[in-house]
Amino acid sequence: KQEVTQIPAALSVPEGENLVLNCSFTDSAIYNLQWFRQDPGKGLTSLLLIQSSQREQTSGRLNASLDKSSGRSTLYIAASQPGDSATYLCAVSGAGSYQLTFGKGTKLSVIP
Amino acid sequence: ETGVTQTPRHLVMGMTNKKSLKCEQHLGHNAMYWYKQSAKKPLELMFVYSLEERVENNSVPSRFSPECPNSSHLFLHLHTLQPEDSALYLCASSQYTWRDEQFFGPGTRLTVL
Repeated sequence: KQEVTQIPAALSVPEGENLVLNCSFTDSAIYNLQWFRQDPGKGLTSLLLIQSSQREQTSGRLNASLDKSSGRSTLYIAASQPGDSATYLCAVSGAGSYQLTFGKGTKLSVIP
Repeated sequence: ETGVTQTPRHLVMGMTNKKSLKCEQHLGHNAMYWYKQSAKKPLELMFVYSLEERVENNSVPSRFSPECPNSSHLFLHLHTLQPEDSALYLCASSQYTWRDEQFFGPGTRLTVL
């Protein structure tokens, strides 16, 4: 059974700092990996999707990498802003499964 | 309306009530999903409708009943719920299957008294 772990559970950084969020998964037979952002009490916003054949994806100040063989992904946020404060979720789509498996998320606070 | 919409946004119900959650997607997608998000737990997939095939998580109690009349609309019918069913219920859609990028609605915050 696929398990997804996100470390740390919470992170607080000063504005302007670059930061890295980590995601690990136990079964490397994935189809793709998706990073989401969730604001308190709200739905999820898709940030980046990386196919299993890709190594990274970039969108603005966000860069996500994927190392399928080691079961790891990172989300790099450059020049963090208070508006980046949210919970960031990682989810993997298993090659032999019908669903996304989510981690519990990392709650990010960017302090002005 | 654009994206994925959900109504109502908040719902309080007693254990003997019957209610329904509604989801509508305006993205031209062919797959829709119901997820449950409880405090301090990962998102849990409840039901999938993908290319007219329904797949469900076997751990979902029968007091939750999905309905997908067409590719744009999805309902979750609720009856005789328990307080532990209180959670944020999220709807999502994707182009064809669970392998495609999923887009989420804002959720319905459900409280069962």
